[in-house]
Amino acid sequence: KAGVTQTPRYLIKTRGQQVTLSCSPISGHRSVSWYQQTPGQGLQFLFEYFSETQRNKGNFPGRFSGRQFSNSRSEMNVSTLELGDSALYLCATKGEETQYFGPGTRLLVL
Amino acid sequence: KNEVEQSPQNLTAQEGEFITINCSYSVGISALHWLQQHPGGGIVSLFMLSSGKKKHGRLIATINIQEKHSSLHITASHPRDSAVYICAVHRGAQKLVFGQGTRLTINP
Repeated sequence: KAGVTQTPRYLIKTRGQQVTLSCSPISGHRSVSWYQQTPGQGLQFLFEYFSETQRNKGNFPGRFSGRQFSNSRSEMNVSTLELGDSALYLCATKGEETQYFGPGTRLLVL
Repeated sequence: KNEVEQSPQNLTAQEGEFITINCSYSVGISALHWLQQHPGGGIVSLFMLSSGKKKHGRLIATINIQEKHSSLHITASHPRDSAVYICAVHRGAQKLVFGQGTRLTINP
């Protein structure tokens, strides 16, 4: 089985712009979670989607949003980018015994 | 106070040493993960525990639900074990809450 894939892997944006990141889960996995990792805050939960519905949400402002498609692929969007949004964004899917993480998208906001 | 606390934050050891990383949590959980992150960012889930002990190769993970504490042990450590080890707990269906990580360096 192919692993969790994320695109793009690297992204540079400027303040005020918006960005869309994509995550394709392992075939058959219907749940996708998103996480933000920064040096200061570590890893933080953003949100989780299951069968196209947001099931859980972390403590992030409304500028962070997401969606899931019928093929379980998920996108997250960040609008009006701020310098502090520079981070590694990871998605993960849940198997029976473990979580499977994608390689992440490294976003730099200038 | 963080819901998930790890210790130590940094650990340097010589090849072959027995390594222990600790994780304490203050909330009710359904399961606990130990994750490994190498430079470059990729995260691998090593264990998911809800009780007792699990072993995989040179890695052993234990959890004590009553004491809200888990440990990750590495036997016969090797330089390739150098990574950041992260404890994460499941709160609710899919929400993971993470510790700050332990940076492990194994010198040859």
